[in-house]
Amino acid sequence: EDQVTQSPEALRLQEGESSSLNCSYTVSGLRGLFWYRQDPGKGPEFLFTLYSAGEEKEKERLKATLTKKESFLHITAPKPEDSATYLCAVQDGRGGSNYKLTFGKGTLLTVNP
Amino acid sequence: EPEVTQTPSHQVTQMGQEVILRCVPISNHLYFYWYRQILGQKVEFLVSFYNNEISEKSEIFDDQFSVERPDGSNFTLKIRSTKLEDSAMYFCASTGSSGQPQHFGDGTRLSIL
Repeated sequence: EDQVTQSPEALRLQEGESSSLNCSYTVSGLRGLFWYRQDPGKGPEFLFTLYSAGEEKEKERLKATLTKKESFLHITAPKPEDSATYLCAVQDGRGGSNYKLTFGKGTLLTVNP
Repeated sequence: EPEVTQTPSHQVTQMGQEVILRCVPISNHLYFYWYRQILGQKVEFLVSFYNNEISEKSEIFDDQFSVERPDGSNFTLKIRSTKLEDSAMYFCASTGSSGQPQHFGDGTRLSIL
């Protein structure tokens, strides 16, 4: 069974204080690892897809990296508007045509001004 | 930018009643999904739908649940004889290709009284 564990559960940063979120995963054959952002009362908003170990993706202050066992979401010089829950999800390559996502519980990030 | 839309945003129903949650996926997408998120818990996969049939369903998706794509635009989730434990946020997602990111709607908050 696919498993995704995210840490920490909550993270409070000061504006400009860089940090990283962790996503550890267990999957038989990784097809893709996805990072989403979720604001209160909203659906997950897609950020990045990573397909193979060593891959990196960047978008503004966010950078996602992938190894064979975990992924990191690095946040550089965060701003208050980066406050949200960040979700990690994996897609098992054995899924055939459906490719469902298995999510972690998320990391609640709060950035104080 | 195209988006997934869900209606209603909030549904309050008496236990034992039937509810239909509606979704309009992004227009050229072919793969459709329902997920749910109980308050404080992970986003959980319910069902995937492709080529007018269910491609996979989770243990949660029992005979109480059904999905339908009645026309070329709508995708619905029906819950018969609702229970208190069905209270959750229900998210619809779609993607144009099985390995591509899934795009989520903002969800329907279902409250069973």
